[in-house]
Order: sequence, then structure tokens, then C-alpha cells
Amino acid sequence: GAVVSQHPSRVICKSGTSVKIECRSLDFQATTMFWYRQFPKQSLMLMATSNEGSKATYEQGVEKDKFLINHASLTLSTLTVTSAHPEDSSFYICSARDDWEGERVDEQYFGPGTRLTVT
Amino acid sequence: AQKVTQAQTEISVVEKEDVTLDCVYETRDTTYYLFWYKQPPSGELVFLIRRNSFDEQNEISGRYSWNFQKSTSSFNFTITASQVVDSAVYFCALSEAPGMNRDDKIIFGKGTRLHILP
Repeated sequence: GAVVSQHPSRVICKSGTSVKIECRSLDFQATTMFWYRQFPKQSLMLMATSNEGSKATYEQGVEKDKFLINHASLTLSTLTVTSAHPEDSSFYICSARDDWEGERVDEQYFGPGTRLTVT
Repeated sequence: AQKVTQAQTEISVVEKEDVTLDCVYETRDTTYYLFWYKQPPSGELVFLIRRNSFDEQNEISGRYSWNFQKSTSSFNFTITASQVVDSAVYFCALSEAPGMNRDDKIIFGKGTRLHILP
């Protein structure tokens, strides 16, 4: 199946700094990518929908100025956690939707996740 | 609004037993997708199945089987002859079928943590 990568897989940063997480679709184009956050022993919560060439759509309660999303190409979306605090420590997972319309695949593929720890 | 309920927070069974994970969903859409994902301790989501709302046929894949019942809005997952490697968190999920709006975000249930004891 299609592959989605995330970088870095783990990151530790100090409180007050910003950290960028990349999500790449490796062998397909993805106009739309999704960012999820998962706290320990909890479910995945959708944070935002990232659209190539336009602004991201954020879910209710997610601060767009704190979680900056840039989807500059058809294979890359980035999530920047600005002025990170310990409560932002979480597992961040992206998914990318295959744009191939030939058979209306519309599959979403998940990345392996990025574990962020803010000290 | 869409919602997925996995009432079983945690289940422990002895190896080789069968186990069923329950999933009940709510949606106003007539066309939707249902999913099951496995999340082992590594954290990576492993896709298990996607089912279209128009396809109510039950599915079997090796030791895994799924029972989709629209009448009760349920999409239960059964592991037969469980193995220790099946230990993981399992998520049931729901999305609208992509259409003009293509709002096909996936809504996850809270997950069921499955322990298979040797």
C-alpha cells in the first residue's frame, strides 16, 4: 500500500520553543492531509485538515495560531507547534488521502506518528 | 453528528480464546465508511478493514472477522484463536463517504485495549 512518512519520529524540546513535524506522502499525491493528536491511553482526535495551496481547517477548540499547518506541496504537510508547553506533549499522527481519482480510491494512509515531549 | 462508541475499554483473554470487540456508531449519512485499526505499542496505526455502508456482507480474513449490522448500527470485530501478538489497542472508526464536499475526516472511537495472556 501507499506509504506516509513522518519526521521526526521522536522529538524532545524545551518549553517555549517551537517544533516542526513533517508529513510526507512518498508514492502518491495528497491534496488533503489530516493531523491527529493522541494523548496517552486515549483516542486519536482530529486537529485539522490540511489542504494544499489553501488554509487549513481546524477543529473546534484547536488553536490555529499555536498549531501552524503548511501544505506547500502535494506530498508535504508540516505541523509547527509554536511556543510549546508540557501539556502539548503528545503523539501526533498525520494521514494523507490519495488523490488518484481513477478508481475513486479515496484511501487515507496514516503516518507512523511523532512523539513530542516538551520539558 | 457522527460518533463511534467502543464500550469495552479493556479486555483480557487467554491465548487461543476467541474475542469480540464491539463497535456502535451514529451517523445521519446514508453513505459512510467504517474502519478498524490496530495500534500496537509502537504506536503506528495498522489498517485492518474498511467497509462501505452499502456492503453489509460479513468479512473474514484469516483469524479476523467482522460483523456489520446496519439495523443495530454495529460493526463488531472478532479475533478467533487469539494470539499474544494480537495484544494492542483496537480502534473502530467512521467517516463520511467523500462527495462534493469531500469531508471524509475519520472519527475514531476511544479504542479497546486488548490483552492476550499466554
